[in-house]
Amino acid sequence: GAGVSQSPRYKVAKRGQDVALRCDPISGHVSLFWYQQALGQGPEFLTYFQNEAQLDKSGLPSDRFFAERPEGSVSTLKIQRTQQEDSAVYLCASSLEDRSNSPLHFGNGTRLTVT
Amino acid sequence: AQSVTQLDSQVPVFEEAPVELRCNYSSSVSVYLFWYVQYPNQGLQLLLKYLSGSTLVKGINGFEAEFNKSQTSFHLRKPSVHISDTAEYFCAVRNSGGYQKVTFGIGTKLQVIP
Repeated sequence: GAGVSQSPRYKVAKRGQDVALRCDPISGHVSLFWYQQALGQGPEFLTYFQNEAQLDKSGLPSDRFFAERPEGSVSTLKIQRTQQEDSAVYLCASSLEDRSNSPLHFGNGTRLTVT
Repeated sequence: AQSVTQLDSQVPVFEEAPVELRCNYSSSVSVYLFWYVQYPNQGLQLLLKYLSGSTLVKGINGFEAEFNKSQTSFHLRKPSVHISDTAEYFCAVRNSGGYQKVTFGIGTKLQVIP
């Protein structure tokens, strides 16, 4: 069975450009998370979806960051007017259930470099 | 809010030697604990988890971890490491009950020396 798929794997953007990062979770997984991993750091929580509902967006660093999951499966993380500090690996994870004991399954991430 | 402290940023160890990667957590409620491994240019893979029951949990690739509630620790151990264990290891904590986000430590780079 397919795991969590993220695209593109690498993205280079000039400062000020908008970017869109895609996540295909494991089929049937209710929960979907986005994390940001800066170089040499652990993943930092950005936002959480339960099906199509965005229940927690407390980790989004600014209003330039926007995420959606309109049909409860594929999710897109959009960053407007990218800045150099946005350079990081963006990880998507899904889990089968909306419970704390349901483990997360991670994609390989999208490495964003803002020049 | 919960937090995770990984005390060692890098751990070099010779092949076939034992290793312990340390993790301490902080939370005001009961927690679930996880260890993930990340190979270069890849996402995180679950090594093992503590949800309840026995405090000694065994995971993939010969790793195990022990939950110590009094010391708020969840150290990862392997009795004999291989070159292929070279990777970054992340400890994570999640408060129990309903939806809770996962909080990660900053990671420990395990370097296995031939």
